[in-house]
Order: sequence, then structure tokens, then C-alpha cells
Amino acid sequence: DGGITQSPKYLFRKEGQNVTLSCEQNLNHDAMYWYRQDPGQGLRLIYYSQIVNDFQKGDIAEGYSVSREKKESFPLTVTSAQKNPTAFYLCASSIRGRFEAFFGQGTRLTVV
Amino acid sequence: DAKTTQPNSMESNEEEPVHLPCNHSTISGTDYIHWYRQLPSQGPEYVIHGLTSNVNNRMASLAIAEDRKSSTLILHRATLRDAAVYYCILRDNFGNEKLTFGTGTRLTIIP
Repeated sequence: DGGITQSPKYLFRKEGQNVTLSCEQNLNHDAMYWYRQDPGQGLRLIYYSQIVNDFQKGDIAEGYSVSREKKESFPLTVTSAQKNPTAFYLCASSIRGRFEAFFGQGTRLTVV
Repeated sequence: DAKTTQPNSMESNEEEPVHLPCNHSTISGTDYIHWYRQLPSQGPEYVIHGLTSNVNNRMASLAIAEDRKSSTLILHRATLRDAAVYYCILRDNFGNEKLTFGTGTRLTIIP
């Protein structure tokens, strides 16, 4: 089936450790996105990529890093510099232009 | 970025129509109006989108004002499964692919 897959669904890490969240899509979409969602809040854009080997900062990029070496993959690293990393992380992809975006089911990261 | 304004929350009775409003007074000529909804603990799902004309699909209808500064998502007969947060966003058809969400409207369906 075509779709966008995030893994793992739940992730626990100790404070001070970097952690990488996976996002893979087989929809042949050019654009990919990472969002953070805190309880009861809307989605905040962390990074987005419009094409392979290119990405731009969103509204809350500090403490995060990404790469886009392949069209299908857009991993997000939550670094130790992120002050409050515990959150629900969502990945999305889209054809460039006016078409709809497709979301993964999210990764719930808890840092203890 | 063009911004949208939505009420924080709305309630509706089951099996009645629901009209969810969205204001986007700074919309540009190339912006499409998109609606998404998010069920608890899930990623958002696409509902509908349009440019100038009203649109219908199996999930909902989208009514766009003539000046395009506002739009309304219409659920014709709400069910308990329609309880979700609904987001109205603008997508530029050319150039920048930045996709920004606001806080949305939390829709509660009363049985």
C-alpha cells in the first residue's frame, strides 16, 4: 500500500541523548514536513523539504536537524540542545503545488 | 505567510449540519484553501480544498466567499466520528511549499 510511515510509534530517551525519528513515504512526493504537537495545541512546523538535498527551517527549528538524501526519506534528529523535546511528532508529504498533504500516524517521544 | 482565523471550539448535535467558519483576509490570488481534521492521537487527514468555486466531496462541502476572504466547511449530517480538531490552511500553488497550521477548531458532537 502507498503511504507515509513513521517509526517507532512510541520512543523513550534519557535527557541529553540525541534521538532520530524515521519518516518514509512511497507516494513519490517531492515535499516532506516535520511538525511538533504539544498536548491541546496545534501543529508547529519544524523543518520542511521541497526537493532532495534541500530543506528549510520552519517556525521552531532550534534543537532539531534533518537530512533529505533520498526522496522517500526525511529523518528528524532531536538533539540534546532541544530544551523540551517531549512531544508528539508528525511527518507529512505532498506533491508540490495545490494538492493535499498526507500525514503519518506520529511518534510520541518522551524524554526522562 | 497568509494566516487563517478559526473559533477555538464549537458544538453540534448529532445528525445535524455543522458549519465551521474560517477567515483568511490576507489570502493571495494563488492560495488554495485546504481543510484537514485530526482525530485524537492521530495525524491530520485531508478533508477538502478549493480555490474559488464551492466544492463537494464525500466527506464535506466547502463554501468560499466571493471575495475569498472567508470560507466555511460544511458537514451535512454530523456523526460522533466527526468529533475532531478541524484546521483551515492556505497553500500557495506556486513556489514556496511551506505548510503552516493554526490552532484549529475543536468540534464536539453531542449525542
